[in-house]
Amino acid sequence: KQEVTQIPAALSVPEGENLVLNCSFTDSAIYNLQWFRQDPGKGLTSLLLIQSSQREQTSGRLNASLDKSSGRSTLYIAASQPGDSATYLCAVGSQGGSQGNLIFGKGTKLSVKP
Amino acid sequence: GAVVSQHPSWVICKSGTSVKIECRSLDFQATTMFWYRQFPKQSLMLMATSNEGSKATYEQGVEKDKFLINHASLTLSTLTVTSAHPEDSSFYICSARLATNYGYTFGSGTRLTVV
Repeated sequence: KQEVTQIPAALSVPEGENLVLNCSFTDSAIYNLQWFRQDPGKGLTSLLLIQSSQREQTSGRLNASLDKSSGRSTLYIAASQPGDSATYLCAVGSQGGSQGNLIFGKGTKLSVKP
Repeated sequence: GAVVSQHPSWVICKSGTSVKIECRSLDFQATTMFWYRQFPKQSLMLMATSNEGSKATYEQGVEKDKFLINHASLTLSTLTVTSAHPEDSSFYICSARLATNYGYTFGSGTRLTVV
């Protein structure tokens, strides 16, 4: 059974700092991995999608890497801003899941202080 | 592209009543949609997979008679919480994707409070 773990559970940093969020998964048989952002009481906004054959994806100040063999992904946020404050969720499209549905981690709650 | 709209964004209902939540793919056709539930400070848990024109597939532990799913068209799936109880209070969110090699797009979610 696929399990997704995110570390740390919460993170508080001063504005401008670069930071790394970690995600690990137990079963390397995945279709893809997706990073989302969730604001309080809101839905999910997709940030980056990495296919199983890819090693990384970049979008603006965000860079996500994937090491499928070791079951790890990282989300790098450069020059953090207060507007980046949110919960970041990692989800894997698992081959063992229902029709390729996503298995989510519990998220990392990020707070960027002005 | 790949926008998913979900309504209502929040609803309060009395115990014993039913509530319907709609999930629409606005600019694409979705033969499959997914319904998740999220409890406070918990991760999203898949409840069921909604298949256009056929019965939904429910995850283990999810009561299909309580959470009725209808996917009558390629752009609309509905989740009806029947005979709601306070323990059904949660955040419900749907998702779909444009194609198998695309990422999933999520609706804005529905906060259900049963009083």
